[in-house]
Amino acid sequence: AAGVIQSPRHLIKEKRETATLKCYPIPRHDTVYWYQQGPGQDPQFLISFYEKMQSDKGSIPDRFSAQQFSDYHSELNMSSLELGDSALYFCASSHGGGEDEQFFGPGTRLTVL
Amino acid sequence: QKEVEQDPGPLSVPEGAIVSLNCTYSNSAFQYFMWYRQYSRKGPELLMYTYSSGNKEDGRFTAQVDKSSKYISLFIRDSQPSDSATYLCAMSETNAGKSTFGDGTTLTVKP
Repeated sequence: AAGVIQSPRHLIKEKRETATLKCYPIPRHDTVYWYQQGPGQDPQFLISFYEKMQSDKGSIPDRFSAQQFSDYHSELNMSSLELGDSALYFCASSHGGGEDEQFFGPGTRLTVL
Repeated sequence: QKEVEQDPGPLSVPEGAIVSLNCTYSNSAFQYFMWYRQYSRKGPELLMYTYSSGNKEDGRFTAQVDKSSKYISLFIRDSQPSDSATYLCAMSETNAGKSTFGDGTTLTVKP
């Protein structure tokens, strides 16, 4: 079965650069969630979208923005990168209209040098 | 204090043992309870998904939710070395809402 796809899988950036992470949800899933997981930490919720509208917002810095497109894929844009942004970024998807659980993608490992 | 507290571990057991993993929470609005398994450098893999109180069994895995005590558990029977991973509990208020995770418990099953 198709799973959540994230790209790129690995990304190395310098401080103050920008990065764009992409997430392609499971087909027919209309809800996307972004999480940040630092080394040895649990995933922290950043933001979510349902039917292309922001549905919830967590501890997402103002330097980050995200959107969900008409094909339900989502992009997380990160600007003015800081060393502390180095983490695994996970996208999860679910079918928001039903009682479906969230399925996680493999993650993007961002390293800021 | 975190909304979700998880027994920290690490936990090391011999192959074939029964493993018990536990989380407590403070937010009484949580209705959906999940257990994820995460291997190193991989995304969390959903193991169990339960709504409200009760038990749910899937193969060697049993999830228990006690909302009155704000306590959830995951039991793994006949543990295998391939079960060695970090286990994360997670909870949400709605079926389409954000998940709040515990810190994770690292389990090692020794052959």
